[in-house]
Amino acid sequence: GAGVSQSPSNKVTEKGKDVELRCDPISGHTALYWYRQSLGQGLEFLIYFQGNSAPDKSGLPSDRFSAERTGGSVSTLTIQRTQQEDSAVYLCASSLFHGSYNSPLHFGNGTRLTVT
Amino acid sequence: GDSVTQMEGPVTLSEEAFLTINCTYTATGYPSLFWYVQYPGEGLQLLLKATKADDKGSNKGFEATYRKETTSFHLEKGSVQVSDSAVYFCALFNTGNQFYFGTGTSLTVIP
Repeated sequence: GAGVSQSPSNKVTEKGKDVELRCDPISGHTALYWYRQSLGQGLEFLIYFQGNSAPDKSGLPSDRFSAERTGGSVSTLTIQRTQQEDSAVYLCASSLFHGSYNSPLHFGNGTRLTVT
Repeated sequence: GDSVTQMEGPVTLSEEAFLTINCTYTATGYPSLFWYVQYPGEGLQLLLKATKADDKGSNKGFEATYRKETTSFHLEKGSVQVSDSAVYFCALFNTGNQFYFGTGTSLTVIP
């Protein structure tokens, strides 16, 4: 079946512009995660959604970052007033449910964001 | 807090060489441990996992043993192939919390 799909695969934007990154998880997966992968850094947790529960936003680096998940499926990560330090690969992952080692993460190919 | 430390790369090996990528962790309780692999142009995918002390995860010729006494989960393969060239991430999961990933180790295997 289809894996986690992210779009666009590449995005170049000017400093100060807003961007939206989209993630379409695997059908039936109730948990959805956003991570950021910067050059030479590990994966930085941003936010996760589990079913209809309130999302865990503890990893969002500033109030310029927000995310929503509509209908328990597709998610959009929005970065307002982009800064050069926002340049990174943004990874989305989904899993059957959150909170169990038996529910590994399935990752998309990521969106490479470049802020000029 | 929980964290994962893995050896820095890049690592370059000749085909059929022995591979070890070190990974150590810091965590309370009894985390589960994972290795993920990211092939060029692809997303991360689960390579293997171990959920309790002394468990050995294995897949595609790779192995890693959960060592609680040394808080380690080193990845090994006896004979690497060119197709193993990728970035390898060690990760842990603690029940109720998040997955924590290491910084990744880039492996290049040359013919």
